[in-house]
Amino acid sequence: EVQVVESGGGLVQPGGSLRLSCAISGFTFSSYEMTWVRQAPGKGLEWVSYISSSGTTTYYADSVKGRFTITRDNAKNSLFLQMNSLRAEDTAVYYCARLQVSGWYEDVWGQGTMVTVSS
Amino acid sequence: DIQMTQSPSSLSASVGDRVTFICRASQDINSWLAWYQQKPGKAPKLLIYSASTLQSGVPSRFSGSRSGTDFTLTISSLQPEDFATYYCQQAKTFPVTFGGGTRVEIK
Repeated sequence: EVQVVESGGGLVQPGGSLRLSCAISGFTFSSYEMTWVRQAPGKGLEWVSYISSSGTTTYYADSVKGRFTITRDNAKNSLFLQMNSLRAEDTAVYYCARLQVSGWYEDVWGQGTMVTVSS
Repeated sequence: DIQMTQSPSSLSASVGDRVTFICRASQDINSWLAWYQQKPGKAPKLLIYSASTLQSGVPSRFSGSRSGTDFTLTISSLQPEDFATYYCQQAKTFPVTFGGGTRVEIK
C-alpha cells in the first residue's frame, strides 16, 4: 500500500525552527519528485517547495525562500523540510506529496502535520 | 507568478444536479492544469490532470475541459460524497499555484 506519513509538527515560538519529516512506503521513492504544500487554518492550498528525485534540484515559494530547506534521503525513503526563522504566517497544516511521473501533479498525499507559530 | 482565479467561490446544489466550476489562468498554461477535491480535515485528492485526464479510480461523472486559459470541471450528477471544496492548480511553471477554491454545499 502506498503511504506518505508526515511528522514533526507542533507549537513553536516566532523565530524558532522545526524539522518536518515524511516517511514513504509502498513505492520506489527514489524515482519520484516530491513537494510540500501547506494550508493555513480556513484558507486555501499553498505550494511551498519541490525537490527532484535525486535531490539535486529544489524550488521554493518566495514566502519561504531563504528560511526553509527541502531535502531527501532516498536510502531511508524519507523527505524533510527544515523550517527556520518561523513566522506567525507559517502556521498551517503541512502536507508531503508525491508528484506524478507525467507532470507536477500531486497524486499521493500524506495526512498532514500541523505547525503552529505562536508565542 | 501565474494567478489562478476560480469561480464561484461557493455554490449550493442538490444531489443529482449538474455542476460546473470555472478556473482561469492569468497566462497561457497549455493544458498543465489539475483539479483536486478536499473534504474537511482531509488531504486533497487528485481528480483530473492535464486539464481533462481522469485520475485512476475517480468516478466518470467528473470531467474536465479547456478553452484557452479557461478551464472547467464538471460533475454530471452530484452525489452526497461530492460535497467538498475543489481547487484548480497550474503545473506549467514554478511556483506552482492554486486557485482559491470552490466550496460545494448542500442546498
